[in-house]
Amino acid sequence: EAEVAQSPRYKITEKSQAVAFWCDPISGHATLYWYRQILGQGPELLVQFQDESVVDDSQLPKDRFSAERLKGVDSTLKIQPAELGDSAMYLCASSLTRTDTQYFGPGTRLTVL
Amino acid sequence: AQSVTQPDIHITVSEGASLELRCNYSYGATPYLFWYVQSPGQGLQLLLKYFSGDTLVQGIKGFEAEFKRSQSSFNLRKPSVHWSDAAEYFCAVATTGTASKLTFGTGTRLQVTL
Repeated sequence: EAEVAQSPRYKITEKSQAVAFWCDPISGHATLYWYRQILGQGPELLVQFQDESVVDDSQLPKDRFSAERLKGVDSTLKIQPAELGDSAMYLCASSLTRTDTQYFGPGTRLTVL
Repeated sequence: AQSVTQPDIHITVSEGASLELRCNYSYGATPYLFWYVQSPGQGLQLLLKYFSGDTLVQGIKGFEAEFKRSQSSFNLRKPSVHWSDAAEYFCAVATTGTASKLTFGTGTRLQVTL
């Protein structure tokens, strides 16, 4: 069964450092999502891609976060500089189209010291 | 904007007992509704979804949910809980306009005692 891949699974960094997460969606899925899940809360959408284009980044803190999906396949989410409040699980999801079921990867657990 | 409320933060049930997890949503029209399960340190797995049609939806692992428009609810049920069901459960809503922007509740943590 095809799965969404994410790396790394765990990342510890110091505040003010740069950090990057990678996501490889299920093959053929045109829509890709990045979510942030703070401990004890539900996931919150950060950015949504349709192929290589951003269709929703209204909740992305653009002063420090950036996301790209250059060839419309895998994607990278970057934080620079990291802040203590960025400690969270970062989840990637993909779907065949914008209206199909979203399938989630295992997530990257970020700890900022 | 749509929203989801899961009133129970933590529920404990005995193995073999029945389970009902509550979910209430706020949205002006008929929403798309989902239940996801998350094991510790893992991503989310879809249990079931409601888009339209029959209001009683069957999902994986023996779960079902019923959409009740009059109560704005989409409660998750299972007749007999197994110890492996211990996890965090999230209800989510998406608008019928985009169907892709999920708004999640804060989750219910299920503990199963043997």
